[in-house]
Amino acid sequence: DVKVTQSSRYLVKRTGEKVFLECVQDMDHENMFWYRQDPGLGLRLIYFSYDVKMKEKGDIPEGYSVSREKKERFSLILESASTNQTSMYLCASNRNTGELFFGEGSRLTVL
Amino acid sequence: QQQVKQSPQSLIVQKGGISIINCAYENTAFDYFPWYQQFPGKGPALLIAIRPDVSEKKEGRFTISFNKSAKQFSLHIMDSQPGDSATYFCAARSRGSSNTGKLIFGQGTTLQVKP
Repeated sequence: DVKVTQSSRYLVKRTGEKVFLECVQDMDHENMFWYRQDPGLGLRLIYFSYDVKMKEKGDIPEGYSVSREKKERFSLILESASTNQTSMYLCASNRNTGELFFGEGSRLTVL
Repeated sequence: QQQVKQSPQSLIVQKGGISIINCAYENTAFDYFPWYQQFPGKGPALLIAIRPDVSEKKEGRFTISFNKSAKQFSLHIMDSQPGDSATYFCAARSRGSSNTGKLIFGQGTTLQVKP
């Protein structure tokens, strides 16, 4: 079974803190994605990566950066967390097909 | 700039009834339309998908109906069960994204099936 693991299920951070969200997949997938889920807005793509060290902006990249140093690991970084970044963050991966495999999500609260 | 519009936002159906969720899109370059199901505390998972060269796809109690000329597609859940209570997302993939599988998602529909 494909497994996408997000290291932190729940995080509480303060405004201005630097936040790292980690994601690891075990199926040797080329592509990895970070989505943000908010009620009424669905899933919005923040960044994706199609290869190691390669990345592309999604629809809402402002305030975020990413890192992919190894194929299996994709990190989302909030350089200076703000309250409007309180959300559920979902990592996903795939192998050049339409099916995305998602992790269980990281719920971030910024106070 | 949401390119896939989903409705309704929430839906309550009695057990045994039919649940219908609708999506509309504008980009004619979309070539793949999946539906994802998300249970509380879990990530979304692929439920069923369709390509625009067919008008309908059925898998068990779940059916996608696709209307290419109207640029609409819908999910029908027949004989809805309490275990179907979840959030459903429609999505679309642009032909230009076929090598990455990047999807654009709708806003989501929270379905509650009452016993």
